[in-house]
Amino acid sequence: GENVEQHPSTLSVQEGDSAVIKCTYSDSASNYFPWYKQELGKGPQLIIDIRSNVGEKKDQRIAVTLNKTAKHFSLHITETQPEDSAVYFCAPLDTGRRALTFGSGTRLQVQP
Amino acid sequence: DAGVIQSPRHEVTEMGQEVTLRCKPISGHNSLFWYRQTMMRGLELLIYFNNNVPIDDSGMPEDRFSAKMPNASFSTLKIQPSEPRDSAVYFCASSFPLRGTEAFFGQGTRLTVV
Repeated sequence: GENVEQHPSTLSVQEGDSAVIKCTYSDSASNYFPWYKQELGKGPQLIIDIRSNVGEKKDQRIAVTLNKTAKHFSLHITETQPEDSAVYFCAPLDTGRRALTFGSGTRLQVQP
Repeated sequence: DAGVIQSPRHEVTEMGQEVTLRCKPISGHNSLFWYRQTMMRGLELLIYFNNNVPIDDSGMPEDRFSAKMPNASFSTLKIQPSEPRDSAVYFCASSFPLRGTEAFFGQGTRLTVV
């Protein structure tokens, strides 16, 4: 199965700063790499994803970069805002189980 | 579309009682997933269905847990008998793989077994 490690577990930044969260995975055949955001009392919600045929994808203030050789991908949030405060999960596709395997989560706190 | 709908949102039950959690996936989605979230173990995949057929139930913790999907618009996760260590938030998610692998999650059911 897919082994997923996510770092850091907590991250505190000042409003306007950038935040980076990293995820490593073990399934070399994995071809789908999403990031989910979970707010208090809600289910995880997809914020950005990338497939193995590209190295970077950007959507306004968020971006994901993928290094398939090293088997890691990262979430980048620029110009952070207080509403970015939440728990973020990486969830690479486990090709054996054909389902997403979630990392342990990163609690991001953006200080106003 | 209303999204994935789970019920109840909260459930408090006594140890030994039967608990049934319900899920209505997004119309047209043909894959349905049940996840459990706890502080200690994070988000774990329990079971998933494709076209109403269980594909992988290796995450189901014990025989006390069972899941069914009698039709494309409804699924249940049952715990019988329930134990305090089953206390967690249970999420249902659905996806339509032919259009991508994005999983859409419901709001979850917070289960407390006392």
